[in-house]
Amino acid sequence: QQPVQSPQAVILREGEDAVINCSSSKALYSVHWYRQKHGEAPVFLMILLKGGEQKGHEKISASFNEKKQQSSLYLTASQLSYSGTYFCGTYGGSNYKLTFGKGTLLTVNP
Amino acid sequence: EAGVTQFPSHSVIEKGQTVTLRCDPISGHDNLYWYRRVMGKEIKFLLHFVKESKQDESGMPNNRFLAERTGGTYSTLKVQPAELEDSGVYFCASSQGQGVGSPLHFGNGTRLTVT
Repeated sequence: QQPVQSPQAVILREGEDAVINCSSSKALYSVHWYRQKHGEAPVFLMILLKGGEQKGHEKISASFNEKKQQSSLYLTASQLSYSGTYFCGTYGGSNYKLTFGKGTLLTVNP
Repeated sequence: EAGVTQFPSHSVIEKGQTVTLRCDPISGHDNLYWYRRVMGKEIKFLLHFVKESKQDESGMPNNRFLAERTGGTYSTLKVQPAELEDSGVYFCASSQGQGVGSPLHFGNGTRLTVT
């Protein structure tokens, strides 16, 4: 079952912060975050595993709350290069199928 | 290292025709995945190869879709005959390991338009 992402879209000015949420109705083993720029390949950002950990990548960090079956991606002091569609992907159960949400379109303006 | 490569990058075909998409994974990656994204929707899983074997093909829409990975290297995805609803961007991804801790490396995708 696909995870649900919110918001669907967000527009920021350079330097502002944003939070993208990803939630699932099923127990999760891990959450992946990817960013896709228009016409390009989705690019891996980070993986969060069970244990409630928080990870960071430049000024982008994420948390994973396995009890609530949700993850959040935090973008701090956004840059123009952060624009793109952010996807969360989740692993739940015994298969090796990464299931993606519908994505969040992030636009950072000067 | 070279990334995942896909071709063609674009394909426009008429309903009823056949199209074959190709994916070359990162060298040494045993795991190869096909995904499809229809505009505005999620990146939907189609199938997963481990070397030349199909690990999971639960996402394949119907028997008009045929994926192969002979020799465990590159993979092809054939759509025959194509229907209008097959339009979308087809992504291939590869990974070294499989499961919860292995990131996927995606290609740029093939944009398929069926008219």
